[in-house]
Amino acid sequence: DQQVKQNSPSLSVQEGRISILNCDYTNSMFDYFLWYKKYPAEGPTFLISISSIKDKNEDGRFTVFLNKSAKHLSLHIVPSQPGDSAVYFCAASAQGAQKLVFGQGTRLTINP
Amino acid sequence: GAGVSQSPRYKVAKRGQDVALRCDPISGHVSLFWYQQALGQGPEFLTYFQNEAQLDKSGLPSDRFFAERPEGSVSTLKIQRTQQEDSAVYLCASSEDSRRAFFGQGTRLTVV
Repeated sequence: DQQVKQNSPSLSVQEGRISILNCDYTNSMFDYFLWYKKYPAEGPTFLISISSIKDKNEDGRFTVFLNKSAKHLSLHIVPSQPGDSAVYFCAASAQGAQKLVFGQGTRLTINP
Repeated sequence: GAGVSQSPRYKVAKRGQDVALRCDPISGHVSLFWYQQALGQGPEFLTYFQNEAQLDKSGLPSDRFFAERPEGSVSTLKIQRTQQEDSAVYLCASSEDSRRAFFGQGTRLTVV
């Protein structure tokens, strides 16, 4: 029972263009969502988060959009840079539950 | 320290051997989590501590897995009688507010 799904295992984007990573969830109790970035042989690094009371959160080149009715969130990176090449994980948590539930990850490759 | 520290980084164990994985959380972080990440998958929750209290161990896959945090700081994840299916990266994370977790680099366990 995959409560958080990232349906694209990989994505390739040209440097300077926009990268859009998608995530779907099924549990309506989730009220906090996060994106993590992971380089090989390192642990996941927190990137950006959003509470369910918002539909958008922006931090520099990174913007997360939340569509609660569709149970969908997306991460936009613009402009994409070579250092953005990594695996990106979407994660969610429910109020009162401490654990994070992760998607399977999307490998983003930025081509020069 | 500046971040979450895990040791060892790599561990090779013979099937049936017991192993102990250590986590040093960010100083002052009340919450501590252990996750297991299989190859090509997202991290999966194992257990959660608030200070020294283990409040959720619902993700521990069997009674061979045991975690402790006796003084509310350093934590140890112990796996008894390791099996091949235990091979994975074990990630520790700590958090100030339980909603945004910061991860260590992980311990890659290989059972041969």
